[in-house]
Amino acid sequence: DQQVKQNSPSLSVQEGRISILNCDYTNSMFDYFLWYKKYPAEGPTFLISISSIKDKNEDGRFTVFLNKSAKHLSLHIVPSQPGDSAVYFCAASFGSSNTGKLIFGQGTTLQVKP
Amino acid sequence: EPEVTQTPSHQVTQMGQEVILRCVPISNHLYFYWYRQILGQKVEFLVSFYNNEISEKSEIFDDQFSVERPDGSNFTLKIRSTKLEDSAMYFCARRISNRGRETQYFGPGTRLLVL
Repeated sequence: DQQVKQNSPSLSVQEGRISILNCDYTNSMFDYFLWYKKYPAEGPTFLISISSIKDKNEDGRFTVFLNKSAKHLSLHIVPSQPGDSAVYFCAASFGSSNTGKLIFGQGTTLQVKP
Repeated sequence: EPEVTQTPSHQVTQMGQEVILRCVPISNHLYFYWYRQILGQKVEFLVSFYNNEISEKSEIFDDQFSVERPDGSNFTLKIRSTKLEDSAMYFCARRISNRGRETQYFGPGTRLLVL
């Protein structure tokens, strides 16, 4: 039961350009969506989140867009930097009305080339 | 960023042995989680722990697993009799729910290898 899907296993982008990471979900009851960055043998690092009542949230170089009708969200990184190279996971939660457990996608490996 | 520390960073054990993984969050938080990531796979929810009780557990979290907060600070995950398929990275996380914002901050993880 894959409620959260990241269909692109990998993405390669030139430094300075935009990186767009995509995520689809199936359960319309999710309240929050989060993006994490992960390096091998380290814990996921929180990047940015968005509530289901919003369609956009921005924090520095990171912007998350939510399209509820399409059950789709995306993370935009502008401009991309070589240090952004990592695995990016999207996650969904039922939020404060529930236990808040996160359901993760499979991850997308981003490579930013200098 | 709020810190969650985990010990040990690495553990190698023989199949059938018990292991205890520890998480030391900043105090005064009520919600904690354990997740795991088998190599090359996605991060999976194991169990949530609220106010010193299990609030939800996944199908993975069978009778071989237990969690507790023995001294009010450390938060432990015990695997009673390890299996080869328990080899994974185990992450502790704590939840921040503040003014409509939901976040979980993860620890650095414990790499468990069962031989």
